[in-house]
Amino acid sequence: GAVVSQHPSWVICKSGTSVKIECRSLDFQATTMFWYRQFPKQSLMLMATSNEGSKATYEQGVEKDKFLINHASLTLSTLTVTSAHPEDSSFYICSATPSGSEQYFGPGTRLTVT
Amino acid sequence: EDQVTQSPEALRLQEGESSSLNCSYTVSGLRGLFWYRQDPGKGPEFLFTLYSAGEEKEKERLKATLTKKESFLHITAPKPEDSATYLCAVPGGGNKLTFGTGTQLKVEL
Repeated sequence: GAVVSQHPSWVICKSGTSVKIECRSLDFQATTMFWYRQFPKQSLMLMATSNEGSKATYEQGVEKDKFLINHASLTLSTLTVTSAHPEDSSFYICSATPSGSEQYFGPGTRLTVT
Repeated sequence: EDQVTQSPEALRLQEGESSSLNCSYTVSGLRGLFWYRQDPGKGPEFLFTLYSAGEEKEKERLKATLTKKESFLHITAPKPEDSATYLCAVPGGGNKLTFGTGTQLKVEL
């Protein structure tokens, strides 16, 4: 139980284009979903928190206009990186919580912007 | 502000050589402590939740324990497949997790 999927697992895009990453909770309804970013050999950095049907809450320093988050249902959240640039290249990971306690993580999406 | 510190940063063990990883925390009201395992290029995999001092949880070769100031992840007779980065985290306001920097474990034959 408590499986979270992400799609795609990796994506390469050209500078200036937008990329959408999906995060789904497969066997539970997620009251809250979280989006993280992770650089090599570093811990996870929280980008934003999203609750179904409401606007995401972004962490300080995260550009809300660049990283658009939509939490359309209790099992789906999407992160869109708009006008991507090479510095946006990173490993993006989502998590979901069924009860507001433990977070279950997706497998991650490797984004490379050329 | 919640703080989580893990030690050591890296640990190299021989197969079968038991050891412990440490997670020290400073929080205003513990609402749980989580252990995760992360393999390279993957998202963290949930291992354990501990809620109160004295609590212990076990899974295969892993046992997690909790005191009022720290948690230990004991690895008994590790195998090469236990090699990974082990993360501990505590939930704060809005259920946001504060992570430690992790312990990178390598188990060699």
